[in-house]
Amino acid sequence: DTAVSQTPKYLVTQMGNDKSIKCEQNLGHDTMYWYKQDSKKFLKIMFSYNNKELIINETVPNRFSPKSPDKAHLNLHINSLELGDSAVYFCASSPWDRQNTEAFFGQGTRLTVV
Amino acid sequence: AQSVSQHNHHVILSEAASLELGCNYSYGGTVNLFWYVQYPGQHLQLLLKYFSGDPLVKGIKGFEAEFIKSKFSFNLRKPSVQWSDTAEYFCAVIGGATNKLIFGTGTLLAVQP
Repeated sequence: DTAVSQTPKYLVTQMGNDKSIKCEQNLGHDTMYWYKQDSKKFLKIMFSYNNKELIINETVPNRFSPKSPDKAHLNLHINSLELGDSAVYFCASSPWDRQNTEAFFGQGTRLTVV
Repeated sequence: AQSVSQHNHHVILSEAASLELGCNYSYGGTVNLFWYVQYPGQHLQLLLKYFSGDPLVKGIKGFEAEFIKSKFSFNLRKPSVQWSDTAEYFCAVIGGATNKLIFGTGTLLAVQP
C-alpha cells in the first residue's frame, strides 16, 4: 500500500544506453513531479505534470522525456545516458489544491552510469 | 522567480542541544512553506508545513517552525535534539500558479551522542 512507488530502486547502466524509471501514486493526487538529487544532496525539480499535462519543464536536456499515461503515473525515459546523469531520482505527488498541498515522495531510484 | 536559501550547510550538535536551522525564501506572493527530512539512504518525509494562520507551526518529532513574513523566513527549531535526528533537512516553498515546489540546498545535521 505504498503511496508513491518507483521502480527500479537501483539502476546501473552503461553510457549511451536508454533507460526508464516508472512512478505510480495511489493517493488520487493531480500533480506529479520528478526531482534529481545530486551527490551534494541538492534537489532540483525537473518536471511537473498536472492531470497528465506538463506544467513545469525546467532546463533539462531533451534526452529526458517524461510521460504521463494517466494522472496516477509519471514515467521518466532517459536516452543516451551520460556519466553526469548519475544521481538519485525522486518522484513525488501532491494535490493541486493549494490549501491542501503536500508532496509525498517515492523511495528514489539510484541511477549509476558507468 | 522563487528561490529558497539555507545558510547552514552542515551543523554538528551534541545530544540535548537546541537546534535552529535557517531558511529564507524569495517570492512576493502567497507561499506555502515546508520542512522535509531525509534520513540516511531514505526518501524525503514531511516534518511540518505552513499554509496560513498561526505562524508558529508544530510538526512531528518535537520540531517546530516560525513563519516571519517580514523577514521572508521559516526557521526550523527543536529544543533538544537526539542522535536519531541525524539527517539532511530541506526547506521548501510553493508559490505561483504552477504549484512549483522548490527546495533549499539542505542542511546536514549530525548529532553526537
